[in-house]
Amino acid sequence: AQTVTQSQPEMSVQEAETVTLSCTYDTSENNYYLFWYKQPPSRQMILVIRQEAYKQQNATENRFSVNFQKAAKSFSLKISDSQLGDTAMYFCAFMRRNAGNMLTFGGGTRLMVKP
Amino acid sequence: GAVVSQHPSRVICKSGTSVKIECRSLDFQATTMFWYRQFPKQSLMLMATSNEGSKATYEQGVEKDKFLINHASLTLSTLTVTSAHPEDSSFYICSATTGEVMNTEAFFGQGTRLTVV
Repeated sequence: AQTVTQSQPEMSVQEAETVTLSCTYDTSENNYYLFWYKQPPSRQMILVIRQEAYKQQNATENRFSVNFQKAAKSFSLKISDSQLGDTAMYFCAFMRRNAGNMLTFGGGTRLMVKP
Repeated sequence: GAVVSQHPSRVICKSGTSVKIECRSLDFQATTMFWYRQFPKQSLMLMATSNEGSKATYEQGVEKDKFLINHASLTLSTLTVTSAHPEDSSFYICSATTGEVMNTEAFFGQGTRLTVV
């Protein structure tokens, strides 16, 4: 079974600054995907970024980038130029390849962007 | 991205009654749908996986007779909370996926806030 751990229950950052959210996972699989999801106050889950484990290059989506360290089983999310709209819960998630696209979520990090 | 519509967005029911929550994929065929429960300030807890045309697979500790899941078509799955009690009050979220190996994205509904009084 896979486990996903987010060690930071809450974080805050000043608007326009950079923040990094941590995520570690445990698996014996070699082929998998990792995701970061955002859940704003509306509670709609929004995909932020995705990483395929077989790709060494870190994924980037505009202000969002990841630091994927496969050997260390670490998958952190960096948010640059933080905006007030980034205030939300952030969930790291793991998906085993060829396993029906089932997600295993971490406990979440509540991020507050301060003006 | 694809759209998943979940209805109702919030419902209040009396203890002992049953409530049905619908999850529809609007512009794609969802081979697999997942049902989650989320307590306040906590993560999403997978309740069950439902595949079109077959019985749902429930996670350990989830009562299949309490939470009835039906996935009768490729665009609709329903979760029925039977004989609801106040402890069933929670936020329920569905997600849908095509199940294709190369399409790994899961699309989420807006969630349903259930309050049992």
